[in-house]
Amino acid sequence: EVQILETGGGLVKPGGSLRLSCATSGFNFNDYFMNWVRQAPGKGLEWVAQIRNKNYNYATYYAESLEGRVTISRDDSKSSVYLQVSSLRAEDTAIYYCTKEGPYTPLVYYFDYWGQGVMVTVSS
Amino acid sequence: DIQMTQSPSLLSASVGDRVTLSCKASQNIYKYLNWYQQKLGEAPKLLIYYTNSLQTGIPSRFSGSGSGTDYTLTISSLQPEDVATYFCQQYNSWYTFGAGTKLELK
Repeated sequence: EVQILETGGGLVKPGGSLRLSCATSGFNFNDYFMNWVRQAPGKGLEWVAQIRNKNYNYATYYAESLEGRVTISRDDSKSSVYLQVSSLRAEDTAIYYCTKEGPYTPLVYYFDYWGQGVMVTVSS
Repeated sequence: DIQMTQSPSLLSASVGDRVTLSCKASQNIYKYLNWYQQKLGEAPKLLIYYTNSLQTGIPSRFSGSGSGTDYTLTISSLQPEDVATYFCQQYNSWYTFGAGTKLELK
C-alpha cells in the first residue's frame, strides 16, 4: 500500500523559512518523479515543485511564482522528498501536499497518490 | 501560463442525476487534462487522466471527454458519496488547476 506522510509544518513568522519532509513507502521511490502541491485555505490547488528521479539526473522544476524561494530535494535511501521554503509571506499560508507522479508514460502525467498534507501558517 | 476555468463553481443535484462539470483552458491543451476529487478535509484523489482514462478503482459512473480547450467530467448517476469538490488539471505546460466545482446534494 502506498503511503505518503508530510511533516514539518507549523506557524512561521513572515520572512522565516521552513523545511517540509515527505516520507513514503509502498512503492519503488527511486523510479518516480515527486511533486509538492499547495492549497491556500478555501482555495484551489497550486503546483509548487517537481523533482525527477536519478534517470533524469534529479532535475528540479519550480512554479514561476515561487522560484528563488523554494528548493525541492530527495533522498532515495530514505524514500523521502523535501521542500525548503524561505522568505515566507502570509500568502504562503497553505496546506502543502506531497504527491507521487504516475508511472512515466509519454503524454500521460498525473499525480496518482497524495499525502494528507501539512499546514503551514505564516503570521506574526 | 495556461489558465483553467471551471464551471459552475457550485452545482446542486439530486441522487441519480446525470451531472456534467466543465473545464475550459485558455489555450489548446491537446487532451492533457486530468480530473481530481477532493472530499472535505481530505487530499485530492485522481479520477480521470489524459481526458478520458479512468484511474484504477474509480467507479465507472465517472467519465471524461473533451478536446482542444473544452473538457467535461460526467457522473452518470450521482451518488451521495460523490459530494466533493472537483478540480481539473492541465499538463500541456507544467501543471495548473482550475478553481474547482463544488458538488452538493439538492
